[in-house]
Amino acid sequence: AQSVAQPEDQVNVAEGNPLTVKCTYSVSGNPYLFWYVQYPNRGLQFLLKYITGDNLVKGSYGFEAEFNKSQTSFHLKKPSALVSDSALYFCAVRDRENYGGATNKLIFGTGTLLAVQP
Amino acid sequence: GAGVSQTPSNKVTEKGKYVELRCDPISGHTALYWYRQSLGQGPEFLIYFQGTGAADDSGLPNDRFFAVRPEGSVSTLKIQRTERGDSAVYLCASSPWTSGELFFGEGSRLTVL
Repeated sequence: AQSVAQPEDQVNVAEGNPLTVKCTYSVSGNPYLFWYVQYPNRGLQFLLKYITGDNLVKGSYGFEAEFNKSQTSFHLKKPSALVSDSALYFCAVRDRENYGGATNKLIFGTGTLLAVQP
Repeated sequence: GAGVSQTPSNKVTEKGKYVELRCDPISGHTALYWYRQSLGQGPEFLIYFQGTGAADDSGLPNDRFFAVRPEGSVSTLKIQRTERGDSAVYLCASSPWTSGELFFGEGSRLTVL
């Protein structure tokens, strides 16, 4: 079965420092991987996705993620954190085990709370 | 343009009551998903519609949960005989068929007393 793991419940970083939010995956076949962000009292927002191609994926708000097949990881990164980046971040993988058809059903991790201190 | 709209934003009900949650997707999006997010957890898949039909309902926890999308646009999630364990935020998302990117609404917070 497809799954993702986010090993850190919370990541603390000072404003201006680089940040990394970790995600590892377990899939059969080639993974389709995503990052979403959830601000307080707001819906989930898409940040970026990896389908195929370049291992470094660039997304919204200056975020990027690096796909590493040998380590089965898809860590989210940003060179310089902002206080406004403080939010809950979810890694997700597309479920490709289905009833014989393609689906965009996503399996989410448990989330990592990013706290950026001024 | 309008995003995914969910109503009500908050619903408090008593154990055993019937509840309906509505989702109005982005215009033109043919795929619609319902997820449930409990406190401290990631969203958990419930059901997926492609057009009017439920293409995958494998995430519905039991037969008290049902969803419809009769005209291929608005969807309603229906919960019968609610239980306290049904308390969660119910998220709706829509998607263009091919992209895999989900656009989420702000959710409906259900509290069962």
